[in-house]
Amino acid sequence: DVKVTQSSRYLVKRTGEKVFLECVQDMDHENMFWYRQDPGLGLRLIYFSYDVKMKEKGDIPEGYSVSREKKERFSLILESASTNQTSMYLCASSLYGRDYNEQFFGPGTRLTVL
Amino acid sequence: AQTVTQSQPEMSVQEAETVTLSCTYDTSENNYYLFWYKQPPSRQMILVIRQEAYKQQNATENRFSVNFQKAAKSFSLKISDSQLGDTAMYFCALNTGNQFYFGTGTSLTVIP
Repeated sequence: DVKVTQSSRYLVKRTGEKVFLECVQDMDHENMFWYRQDPGLGLRLIYFSYDVKMKEKGDIPEGYSVSREKKERFSLILESASTNQTSMYLCASSLYGRDYNEQFFGPGTRLTVL
Repeated sequence: AQTVTQSQPEMSVQEAETVTLSCTYDTSENNYYLFWYKQPPSRQMILVIRQEAYKQQNATENRFSVNFQKAAKSFSLKISDSQLGDTAMYFCALNTGNQFYFGTGTSLTVIP
């Protein structure tokens, strides 16, 4: 079974705190993604990574950074959390290549910033 | 630019009935894939069905089938014999290269 796990299901932080969301996949996938999910807006891509130490900005990277030191782990960092970053965060992984590559999702982290 | 549009934010269907969820997309790529994902309440997003753009035959997975109209860039999902467990948010997604583009989702409620 493909498994994508996220470090927390629910997280409550205060404005200005540094927040780390971690994602681990066990299927040796090259690609990893961080999305933000908000009602009526669907999934919006924050950052993605094709390989270790590589990262690419998605549609809404402002206020976020990422780290990929190992192939199986992709971290999302909120340098200084703000209330408008309250949201559901989804991690996903997929194989690399031009053929179809289904994305496998983690359970999500619901982050509340007070 | 790639876009995916789901024009039905919410839908409901009686148990055992059939429902169709709409999706349109836009891409200039010739080689792409289309997916429907399901996200049950408070549960993980899972793949429902996929369609390769180069295949004319519509994909089918048990009670789930698609109507893929390539020229119209339309990719609808039909759920037959709806069950209570089908209650979920459904996302249409377009895959080109290594990136995915998602619609805004349709919240489907199956009514007993």
